[in-house]
Amino acid sequence: GDSVTQMEGPVTLSEEAFLTINCTYTATGYPSLFWYVQYPGEGLQLLLKATKADDKGSNKGFEATYRKETTSFHLEKGSVQVSDSAVYFCALSPLNFNKFYFGSGTKLNVKP
Amino acid sequence: EAGVAQSPRYKIIEKRQSVAFWCNPISGHATLYWYQQILGQGPKLLIQFQNNGVVDDSQLPKDRFSAERLKGVDSTLKIQPAKLEDSAVYLCASSGGGLAGTSTDTQYFGPGTRLTVL
Repeated sequence: GDSVTQMEGPVTLSEEAFLTINCTYTATGYPSLFWYVQYPGEGLQLLLKATKADDKGSNKGFEATYRKETTSFHLEKGSVQVSDSAVYFCALSPLNFNKFYFGSGTKLNVKP
Repeated sequence: EAGVAQSPRYKIIEKRQSVAFWCNPISGHATLYWYQQILGQGPKLLIQFQNNGVVDDSQLPKDRFSAERLKGVDSTLKIQPAKLEDSAVYLCASSGGGLAGTSTDTQYFGPGTRLTVL
């Protein structure tokens, strides 16, 4: 069945460091891929998405590229800030968008 | 646009008591989801509604959990009786409609209800 696997955390970085959070997926067909972010005490917020192969989603300095050949959607940011500290979830939705499958989340801690 | 509303934000009960959560989705969104998020894990789908019909409740513990979505708008999730392992954040999300400011292929989440069962 459809599923998402993302790297375990926590990931601890210093401010201005480069961030990569790995995400790979298993799906039939061509799903849409998403990154959601959850700040402490809040619900999940959409960070970025990509709906077809080779698409790049970007938002707030974060970006991720839909790689069909490696079934991956890794999240990157060139220079993290303390305010980026949160839990990041990779997710996929099959073509009809009626279901969403979430990874287990990766906690990011950014130290000043 | 107004987001997904949930109440209460926090609830503490003792085991074997009952509890109910309320969710009001984004106006016009046909699909409504309830998720359970245990600390340190990703959201697990409990039930999915399309308008006022159930699309998927395969992971809902039906001996103690129930949910309804009357009139295809807001929804309630109930637990009766609660167990210690029900301690979690209960997230409501909605999608669909193609309304201004929302995308049809994206889920929009409420802030969640944090349940603690003692």
